[in-house]
Amino acid sequence: QVQLQESGPRLVKPSGTLSLTCAVSGGSVSSTNWWTWVRQPPGTGLEWIGEIYHSAGTNYNPSLKSRVTMSVDKSKNQFSLNLNSVTAADTAIYFCARAVGRPSGRYFPVWGQGILVTVSS
Amino acid sequence: QSVLTQPPSVSGAPGQRVTISCSGSGSNIGAGYDVHWYQQLPGRAPKLLIYNDDNRPSGVPDRFSGSSSGTSASLAISGLQAEDEADYFCQSFDSNLSGSRVFGGGTKLTVL
Repeated sequence: QVQLQESGPRLVKPSGTLSLTCAVSGGSVSSTNWWTWVRQPPGTGLEWIGEIYHSAGTNYNPSLKSRVTMSVDKSKNQFSLNLNSVTAADTAIYFCARAVGRPSGRYFPVWGQGILVTVSS
Repeated sequence: QSVLTQPPSVSGAPGQRVTISCSGSGSNIGAGYDVHWYQQLPGRAPKLLIYNDDNRPSGVPDRFSGSSSGTSASLAISGLQAEDEADYFCQSFDSNLSGSRVFGGGTKLTVL
């Protein structure tokens, strides 16, 4: 059973870059899955950030596309999220997840526990 | 404002049946794209409840069921139990948003 664990700085300064990593255990990041990031501002709903395939195919939320970069590190069996030029509006719990299904119908059967990242000086 | 619209809250007594709606448009649910549902307990990560409109992952009780018609989808929970008190989110795909995956705003279920 695949398990996911997010890690990274929990406090980021405004205008800085938010960098998170998701470690994959019980499976390979090179398997036929897409890997996803979703965030949830405190007390509000879920927002899809984007997804990446191990051969470096990516899809990003259009509202975040100019600030987002995702990557896969096969040697460490993990994938990462970089979000630059952050503001207080980027304060959220960030979840990584495994995505399965056809391109227009992917869903998320496995989630990490989430990590709260606060943007503040 | 979420692309998919859910009621902010619903409630029901133990043993009752409740439904949670997820209203979309012709570029998402109305275009035939699958709808998926998640349950989020307080302080926890979302858990997949229903996938591809009406399928339950292994381990999800058959008290939970999903359906989709036209531009809307619904999650039904029968035999309501105290442990069902949680937030519920629908999710689909929107072709107008450069192929973006979209979530509903979420519905808080209170078991009276």
